[in-house]
Amino acid sequence: AQTVTQSQPEMSVQEAETVTLSCTYDTSESDYYLFWYKQPPSRQMILVIRQEAYKQQNATENRFSVNFQKAAKSFSLKISDSQLGDAAMYFCACRDDKIIFGKGTRLHILP
Amino acid sequence: DGGITQSPKYLFRKEGQNVTLSCEQNLNHDAMYWYRQDPGQGLRLIYYSQIVNDFQKGDIAEGYSVSREKKESFPLTVTSAQKNPTAFYLCASSISIGLSGGPSTDTQYFGPGTRLTVL
Repeated sequence: AQTVTQSQPEMSVQEAETVTLSCTYDTSESDYYLFWYKQPPSRQMILVIRQEAYKQQNATENRFSVNFQKAAKSFSLKISDSQLGDAAMYFCACRDDKIIFGKGTRLHILP
Repeated sequence: DGGITQSPKYLFRKEGQNVTLSCEQNLNHDAMYWYRQDPGQGLRLIYYSQIVNDFQKGDIAEGYSVSREKKESFPLTVTSAQKNPTAFYLCASSISIGLSGGPSTDTQYFGPGTRLTVL
């Protein structure tokens, strides 16, 4: 990957509501992988979800799902039924011959 | 209880001193990585290793050195040549870095990090 862009430095969502974090990337490879990582205040990086570029079906993990638009090189993360524990920095990453991370989106959950 | 450990959690260094950050994993992963994280930035790759006794420079290797004498261990030395070493350092591992000709399918798993401060 050459670049990964997260255009929203910060976002807020009401508890129990749905929020979408955006990510765009640029790669010249046809075979690559996309990831969303969560970094809570403990600063431990935790894998949230992974998408293989060759798969058309969007990945889903419980309340987390992605909207993968390959032609547009877009990979957004949707969090449903937001919980207080979802508050964290979220990093989008793209891996072809190497892995590149975006600068992150800080998500606040409002009680 | 498998995982990746980093020590120490906090590290203070005087200017001009070298310091070594520890990273150990018991996941039996072949590949290991070091990243640097600065405020408002994503992670930037410093060094990575695919196999014992082999390692490659990442995007910001200047001022850093590594060794990979054992599969489980990948220590990072921050040398006095690193101009701005104060940062949060993350170690990661994956099953493999990828077969020849293609990217790895393997996810990277991260340690808890070390916060280095230069006084």
